[in-house]
Amino acid sequence: EPEVTQTPSHQVTQMGQEVILRCVPISNHLYFYWYRQILGQKVEFLVSFYNNEISEKSEIFDDQFSVERPDGSNFTLKIRSTKLEDSAMYFCASSPLQASGPGYTFGSGTRLTVV
Amino acid sequence: AQSVTQLGSHVSVSEGALVLLRCNYSSSVPPYLFWYVQYPNQGLQLLLKYTSAATLVKGINGFEAEFKKSETSFHLTKPSAHMSDAAEYFCAVSDRSGNQFYFGTGTSLTVIP
Repeated sequence: EPEVTQTPSHQVTQMGQEVILRCVPISNHLYFYWYRQILGQKVEFLVSFYNNEISEKSEIFDDQFSVERPDGSNFTLKIRSTKLEDSAMYFCASSPLQASGPGYTFGSGTRLTVV
Repeated sequence: AQSVTQLGSHVSVSEGALVLLRCNYSSSVPPYLFWYVQYPNQGLQLLLKYTSAATLVKGINGFEAEFKKSETSFHLTKPSAHMSDAAEYFCAVSDRSGNQFYFGTGTSLTVIP
């Protein structure tokens, strides 16, 4: 069964450093998303991406965050200058259609620890 | 705005007992509703979803949920709990025009042998 692949599974970075989280969405999907889950809290929407541009973003997704689809297979989330409060599990997702359709698939997540 | 409320952050049931995890939604129009399960150190796995077809939705692993518009609820049930059901369960909502999910705070299910 097709999967959304995220690498690395766990990343530790120093405060102030840039970090890039990588995702390989399912190949025929058109919509791409990032969510985060701070430990013990709910999963929160960050951003959606369609047709090579951001289609929707939340208040969390400020200027420190950016997304990119650098080639035909990867979808990345960059945090420019990490803060302690960026420590969370980050989930990538992709879908062939919008959320109402079938096939919306989450990856297994990258646990980011900022020290 | 869309939102979901999950009543009970922790639920414990005995093995073989009924599982009932509660979810209420807030939406101005009938939404799409989902239940996801998260096992320790793993990602989110779709259990089932309601997209305006049958109000009783059957999912994987013997789970089902019933959409009740009058109660704005979408509670998750399973007749007989198994040890392998121990996990975190998230209810989520999406409106029909948007492309993002709004998740509840999650319910941690413990199954007692």
